[in-house]
Amino acid sequence: DSGVTQTPKHLITATGQRVTLRCSPRSGDLSVYWYQQSLDQGLQFLIQYYNGEERAKGNILERFSAQQFPDLHSELNLSSLELGDSALYFCASSPNRASGSPLHFGNGTRLTVT
Amino acid sequence: QQQVKQSPQSLIVQKGGISIINCAYENTAFDYFPWYQQFPGKGPALLIAIRPDVSEKKEGRFTISFNKSAKQFSLHIMDSQPGDSATYFCAASIHVIQGAQKLVFGQGTRLTINP
Repeated sequence: DSGVTQTPKHLITATGQRVTLRCSPRSGDLSVYWYQQSLDQGLQFLIQYYNGEERAKGNILERFSAQQFPDLHSELNLSSLELGDSALYFCASSPNRASGSPLHFGNGTRLTVT
Repeated sequence: QQQVKQSPQSLIVQKGGISIINCAYENTAFDYFPWYQQFPGKGPALLIAIRPDVSEKKEGRFTISFNKSAKQFSLHIMDSQPGDSATYFCAASIHVIQGAQKLVFGQGTRLTINP
């Protein structure tokens, strides 16, 4: 068990809808990362937060947004959903923000857009 | 330039054999190279990692070999066991701004160990 908790485990929704994925990092970890995993794209970095502030952005669509709250949990908001957004979404946390800080992944949220 | 290329996509090895997965990168600013193991239905888990100032790191049956000049690194699994059957991802980390890191993953290798 990595100590990173993601909810829900599964989410099925229709195109055009909006969903929120939630992540609780490991106790003491200040950095939270979001990744998208699809069959043809592998693990794609979306965004990183450190202690409530956005620190790095990857291939995150404008329809997606995230935030990290004062209690350090994070939420990833996906709106105007398209069929292509169907994927596994992983949250990871690390103790700090520096390169080389090991990431600990949750078990993901499987999003299916119909 | 911030890509990591991983091969092969899939690999079948007999029990007791050596599994070898290779990765290559272009950006010399990468400064940390971890390998992750992922079982079905689970998130990736850190297996072993190396810094570019070291040419080899060994932890139990797992060894990373690192060739800085060739910008390549590989994972060797000695005495491969059926329990090692999983998807393996190489990755490379780079500073982005003010100490933030961006971890870039390879496409993954699905390893099957036949009993």
